[in-house]
Amino acid sequence: SQQGEEDPQALSIQEGENATMNCSYKTSINNLQWYRQNSGRGLVHLILIRSNEREKHSGRLRVTLDTSKKSSSLLITASRAADTASYFCATDASTGNQFYFGTGTSLTVIP
Amino acid sequence: DVKVTQSSRYLVKRTGEKVFLECVQDMDHENMFWYRQDPGLGLRLIYFSYDVKMKEKGDIPEGYSVSREKKERFSLILESASTNQTSMYLCASSLVSPQGYTFGSGTRLTVV
Repeated sequence: SQQGEEDPQALSIQEGENATMNCSYKTSINNLQWYRQNSGRGLVHLILIRSNEREKHSGRLRVTLDTSKKSSSLLITASRAADTASYFCATDASTGNQFYFGTGTSLTVIP
Repeated sequence: DVKVTQSSRYLVKRTGEKVFLECVQDMDHENMFWYRQDPGLGLRLIYFSYDVKMKEKGDIPEGYSVSREKKERFSLILESASTNQTSMYLCASSLVSPQGYTFGSGTRLTVV
């Protein structure tokens, strides 16, 4: 399986703090994505980073990619209670457009 | 607003029944996917399709089949439902080039 693995499995922080989640994967990739899932709902796409990119920003989100270590991180700055959700990384196959998801990090932001 | 619509939010079926899960997207996306999500296992890819009448197996196709007769509709079929197929099923679609997926809200299937 090409499934990625997020770390930590669960994270609890105070509102206003930064949250960092990590993703490690096993095989070479072309693209890596991060998604958010609110409880019991579908996933929402946050950001896509290509293998030739090292860092990408979107609002309060910062994603880094280190292909030599086969790892990525998602940083959420100045967290809010509404950021409480599960976060998943997804990596693509060497061929094709299908993505493989990890098991997720459950983030709780305490007001 | 672009959408992926899954026909049922909750579904309860009996063991041995044939089950159809429907997914429709209105974005003219070429790619469509079916995943199942289980606690501790994350999302696992069941089947995907890059074009009408085309299908490819994902990581866990056993016990499932799919149909894509029209570009906007991708159906997941459980030929003979079993209790180990109790799960959350998520449909997604995307454009041809690597893009973010748009997910449906999911169907929580319980097989009794």
